[in-house]
Amino acid sequence: AQKVTQAQTEISVVEKEDVTLDCVYETRDTTYYLFWYKQPPSGELVFLIRRNSFDEQNEISGRYSWNFQKSTSSFNFTITASQVVDSAVYFCALSVNTGTASKLTFGTGTRLQVTL
Amino acid sequence: SQTIHQWPATLVQPVGSPLSLECTVEGTSNPNLYWYRQAAGRGLQLLFYSVGIGQISSEVPQNLSASRPQDRQFILSSKKLLLSDSGFYLCAWSVGGTPTNEQFFGPGTRLTVL
Repeated sequence: AQKVTQAQTEISVVEKEDVTLDCVYETRDTTYYLFWYKQPPSGELVFLIRRNSFDEQNEISGRYSWNFQKSTSSFNFTITASQVVDSAVYFCALSVNTGTASKLTFGTGTRLQVTL
Repeated sequence: SQTIHQWPATLVQPVGSPLSLECTVEGTSNPNLYWYRQAAGRGLQLLFYSVGIGQISSEVPQNLSASRPQDRQFILSSKKLLLSDSGFYLCAWSVGGTPTNEQFFGPGTRLTVL
């Protein structure tokens, strides 16, 4: 069975601070995929990134960056120079190859509050 | 471009009443479809998924059922709601035939059972 742990329940930062959201996963599959989603107050989940287990290169997209380390089973998400609009709940998720449907296992989420 | 719709946006129902939540996807064919529930302050739990018309897989035993009468329509139902059915219900789709694609979510339905 798959498991995703987001140990940080809530984080508060002041605008322009950098913040890292932690994600630790467990799976026995050698091929798997990791995701991050953002859930703003409106409730809809917004897809941010997908990484496969064979690609450990870190990725940067504007102020967002992701650090994937198989050795520690972690897929951490860093927001540089945070802004108020980054306030949301962020979910890390994992899927494995189980046929024709993508079944995501989600962590419990980290609520990020960015204040002025 | 693809869009996903859910309705109603909010719903307040008495215990024991029936339920029907609808989800439709536009701009794609033969998608995989999913129903999730998010309890207050919790993560998302996959309830059902479907890889085609009439094909439903249930992930957890519960008071709910799902149906897929058309390619891009996914319905979540209950004959008699329980208090524990309260939550935020999200529908999602992914490209069909590939198990590892990202899922795209609808705006959700907030259900309160009183």
